[in-house]
Amino acid sequence: AQSVTQPDIHITVSEGASLELRCNYSYGATPYLFWYVQSPGQGLQLLLKYFSGDTLVQGIKGFEAEFKRSQSSFNLRKPSVHWSDAAEYFCAASGFQKLVFGTGTRLLVSP
Amino acid sequence: NAGVTQTPKFQVLKTGQSMTLQCAQDMNHNSMYWYRQDPGMGLRLIYYSASEGTTDKGEVPNGYNVSRLNKREFSLRLESAAPSQTSVYFCATALDRVYEQYFGPGTRLTVT
Repeated sequence: AQSVTQPDIHITVSEGASLELRCNYSYGATPYLFWYVQSPGQGLQLLLKYFSGDTLVQGIKGFEAEFKRSQSSFNLRKPSVHWSDAAEYFCAASGFQKLVFGTGTRLLVSP
Repeated sequence: NAGVTQTPKFQVLKTGQSMTLQCAQDMNHNSMYWYRQDPGMGLRLIYYSASEGTTDKGEVPNGYNVSRLNKREFSLRLESAAPSQTSVYFCATALDRVYEQYFGPGTRLTVT
């Protein structure tokens, strides 16, 4: 079955430090891949997407993600975290007719 | 250009009551989706409509019905609400089935 795994439920990062959120997928072929962010009480906002081509994709708010086929991974990165980045992050992969979401990683930013 | 709108934002129901959650989009997207979000469970797909005139069950369809009223509108109905349906409900749309989805702001539903 198609699945998306986010192994970290919570991550705490100091403001100004770098961030990497992990995402692994299990699919028969390379799916389209996405990262979303959800602030408290809000809907999900698309950060970036990967369809094909360059394996390093840039998104909004200074985020980037790298697709690694050999590791079935699509990790999200940011070089310097801001307090406003505290939120929940969801990785998703496209399956037949729908997206499959990971269970999310909550990012806490310490001063 | 409002994107994806949902009504109501909040709702409290008693067990056994019925209600309809409304979703509308002005993005000219073909596909629409209903999810529920519960703590520790991530997003779970309830129903989806790949295109106007079609609807299909998702992961957790029991207790719900949907109507794709036209290309813009996709409603979710709870015929007899149960406390287990207390959740935050999100509508989403996509240009087509495999593309990125755009989410509405959500409806927070409490069933007592």
